[in-house]
Amino acid sequence: DTEVTQTPKHLVMGMTNKKSLKCEQHMGHRAMYWYKQKAKKPPELMFVYSYEKLSINESVPSRFSPECPNSSLLNLHLHALQPEDSALYLCASSQEVPLPNEQFFGPGTRLTVL
Amino acid sequence: GQNIDQPTEMTATEGAIVQINCTYQTSGFNGLFWYQQHAGEAPTFLSYNVLDGLEEKGRFSSFLSRSKGYSYLLLKELQMKDSASYLCAVRDDEADKLIFGTGTRLQVFP
Repeated sequence: DTEVTQTPKHLVMGMTNKKSLKCEQHMGHRAMYWYKQKAKKPPELMFVYSYEKLSINESVPSRFSPECPNSSLLNLHLHALQPEDSALYLCASSQEVPLPNEQFFGPGTRLTVL
Repeated sequence: GQNIDQPTEMTATEGAIVQINCTYQTSGFNGLFWYQQHAGEAPTFLSYNVLDGLEEKGRFSSFLSRSKGYSYLLLKELQMKDSASYLCAVRDDEADKLIFGTGTRLQVFP
């Protein structure tokens, strides 16, 4: 299994909703990442988990809350989002941190906040 | 500061060769990646350079000059399916993360 899976593929939510994005990998990777990507822009790093511990938080607003329940799973809990948070949210994994080589990206969740 | 520059858009003809350039200035450097991203899809890994020189992988090659802060991705025998965005990303080992360039949108015409 050499892929990263993400659910849901699409999500529409209101500003008062609470929702979660899920990411899973079974490659034995010990580092997992959340990126946000706006249209025609590069991915922007949000969070990095290394060995199930949060190692990097790129000053992301607290309405985004990451969680790593185990080495294969990464969640992103969303609450009280703003319309400008609408974007493609990408999960990625790599063997470990520091990055030795490539990151494997999931297909992303396209989020729309109304 | 950290800065990674790529051309915004390029066009080319099917069967041709295209070179996409990337220049970078980062506080730390430990490798440069090229990713391909089709519209609405996740980035997929193309190449990784950490030493100066050319890495060849089928129709795609990537070159790195660390002293010049410069890389290019060379695509040969272009196919319509090569129409995509190409992202240059630098591994900044001081910040311990990948820093992405803005990407180059390549359109291949018949």
